[in-house]
Amino acid sequence: AQKVTQAQTEISVVEKEDVTLDCVYETRDTTYYLFWYKQPPSGELVFLIRRNSFDEQNEISGRYSWNFQKSTSSFNFTITASQVVDSAVYFCALSEDYSGAGSYQLTFGKGTKLSVIP
Amino acid sequence: GAGVSQTPSNKVTEKGKYVELRCDPISGHTALYWYRQSLGQGPEFLIYFQGTGAADDSGLPNDRFFAVRPEGSVSTLKIQRTERGDSAVYLCASSLMGGSGNEQFFGPGTRLTVL
Repeated sequence: AQKVTQAQTEISVVEKEDVTLDCVYETRDTTYYLFWYKQPPSGELVFLIRRNSFDEQNEISGRYSWNFQKSTSSFNFTITASQVVDSAVYFCALSEDYSGAGSYQLTFGKGTKLSVIP
Repeated sequence: GAGVSQTPSNKVTEKGKYVELRCDPISGHTALYWYRQSLGQGPEFLIYFQGTGAADDSGLPNDRFFAVRPEGSVSTLKIQRTERGDSAVYLCASSLMGGSGNEQFFGPGTRLTVL
């Protein structure tokens, strides 16, 4: 079963619009971590945020904000007043001790490609 | 400080050949991960090292894939008898410690093309 679902494959917005990227996850663990990474055209994954399963407080960092809701197993990401430099593929990822080996490897969604048009 | 580095950045090989991909993690990071990213997909976990030992190799697709980290720093991913389906970007990540959802820092990847 897919553990991280990013239903939006591609989104296009005009610069300065707000945009929300959806992420739904599936886990049976009580302890897990959620991440968002950005992958610009250059290809290198850039860490944006980590959230643990016990902290449901929303977080804001500049133009970025994240809404974590355990009741709906969602961890959505909003960019306010989007800019052209925000154009990238955004990945949501789940980290849990899936194999019992303590690795907490990341399980990624398929990503959402965001295009911000000037 | 230097980030995670990977060499080569690109590798083209023929079907059936052997390849080695190298990862140099951030200094002092004990945990090292390998992932594989196919076109249009998110990265998929291959193997995790804590120090010198492969603590979790559950993501390796078959026994043609092997990785080592003999001194607990640099790691090499080895692929024998390459197949066209092995073509992908191979990503390495390191974190200060393994487990507990520590932030993983990714390298730029090695793009492997098997002809």
